[in-house]
Amino acid sequence: GAVVSQHPSRVICKSGTSVKIECRSLDFQATTMFWYRQFPKQSLMLMATSNEGSKATYEQGVEKDKFLINHASLTLSTLTVTSAHPEDSSFYICSATVAGGELFFGEGSRLTVL
Amino acid sequence: DAKTTQPPSMDCAEGRAANLPCNHSTISGNEYVYWYRQIHSQGPQYIIHGLKNNETNEMASLIITEDRKSSTLILPHATLRDTAVYYCIVYAGGGNKLTFGTGTQLKVEL
Repeated sequence: GAVVSQHPSRVICKSGTSVKIECRSLDFQATTMFWYRQFPKQSLMLMATSNEGSKATYEQGVEKDKFLINHASLTLSTLTVTSAHPEDSSFYICSATVAGGELFFGEGSRLTVL
Repeated sequence: DAKTTQPPSMDCAEGRAANLPCNHSTISGNEYVYWYRQIHSQGPQYIIHGLKNNETNEMASLIITEDRKSSTLILPHATLRDTAVYYCIVYAGGGNKLTFGTGTQLKVEL
């Protein structure tokens, strides 16, 4: 079946640095990718919806200058957390879909900001 | 602005059927019902989805009411490994945004 891969699965960084998380669809071309953030014991919170070749649509309250999303190809989307702070520590998950098709989720990336 | 409501938790004895309900009374005609589950610190795992008809696969069965305002996920013989948070989602595809509700924490016990 289709696979969505995220990298890295875990990352620890110092406060003030930037971190990039990649989301790849391995055997299909994703027309739309979603980025989520999940805090402990909470549900997934949608951060942004990203369609290939166009700017991401961010949810209310999500800073687009802090969470940079690039969807340059049909198989790759990246989320960059700029100037990360401890409150940005979270589990970040991507999802990919094709028009009319199933939704596939990545394994998640756990970010810890010291 | 989640479109689904689910009970926060359910318990089930191992070997018995687990029936997880979901209300989606505002579902649109072009929205599918998807079920996913999430085990701690992993990405959501696809279980099943459907539009109008009941569906069955190797993991589960999905029963959708005729008016499509609610559905039930059935795990026919629950095992301890089925302990997870189960999410019911309605989604039309085509680049529309996809939001999660709070899900149901299913605990399967001996």
